[in-house]
Amino acid sequence: NAGVTQTPKFQVLKTGQSMTLQCAQDMNHEYMSWYRQDPGMGLRLIHYSVGAGITDQGEVPNGYNVSRSTTEDFPLRLLSAAPSQTSVYFCASRETSGGANTQYFGPGTRLTVL
Amino acid sequence: LAKTTQPISMDSYEGQEVNITCSHNNIATNDYITWYQQFPSQGPRFIIQGYKTKVTNEVASLFIPADRKSSTLSLPRVSLSDTAVYYCLVEGYSGYSTLTFGKGTMLLVSP
Repeated sequence: NAGVTQTPKFQVLKTGQSMTLQCAQDMNHEYMSWYRQDPGMGLRLIHYSVGAGITDQGEVPNGYNVSRSTTEDFPLRLLSAAPSQTSVYFCASRETSGGANTQYFGPGTRLTVL
Repeated sequence: LAKTTQPISMDSYEGQEVNITCSHNNIATNDYITWYQQFPSQGPRFIIQGYKTKVTNEVASLFIPADRKSSTLSLPRVSLSDTAVYYCLVEGYSGYSTLTFGKGTMLLVSP
C-alpha cells in the first residue's frame, strides 16, 4: 500500500511550456484534490474530484486543467507555464467512510518556472 | 467558505504541554474540524478530527466548545520532533465547499 504518490519530485520549466503532474492513490478513495503551497503560505485548493469523471474548481484554478478517468489517477496539467506557477504542488486523496474526512497527502512536486 | 484563524507562531520547550487555538466563526452544521501537521518538504499529515466536545488519540487531544466556533489542539509533553506547522481545517462531510487551509501555526520546540 503506497498511499498517494506523485511524480516528478522536482521540475524546472520555461515560461510557456506545458507539462503534467502525475498523482496516483491505491486506497480506492473517491475524492482527490490538488493544492499548491507558496513559501510561507498555507495550501490553496486548485481542483478537486469527487469520483471518476467528475471534477470541479477550487480556489485557484486558472492555468490548470484536470481530468479523472480512473479512481486511482488524478493528473494536473499546466497548459502554458508562467513564473507565478512556481510552487510546491500536493495531491491528496480523501477517506470519507464512517464520517471521517481524513485527507492523505502525497510527498509533493516542487515546480520552478523560469 | 469557513475561514480559520490561528496564531502565526508559538514557542515551547521539551516536555511542556502546547495548546493551539483556532477560530472558525462561520462553521456549518455538518462541518468537521481537522488538524494536520506539516514538516518541511513534506505533505501535511492528519493528526486528529472532531465534531464536538473532546476527542483524544495517541498523539493529541482536540477540545471543541458547544458553539463550535473555535477549537483547541493540545499536544502533551512536546518533543523537538514536534517542531512543525499545524493547520486547522474545517471540512464539509459531503464535499470540498468548505475546505480551506489557513497559514497554519509554526510551532518551535526548544531543548
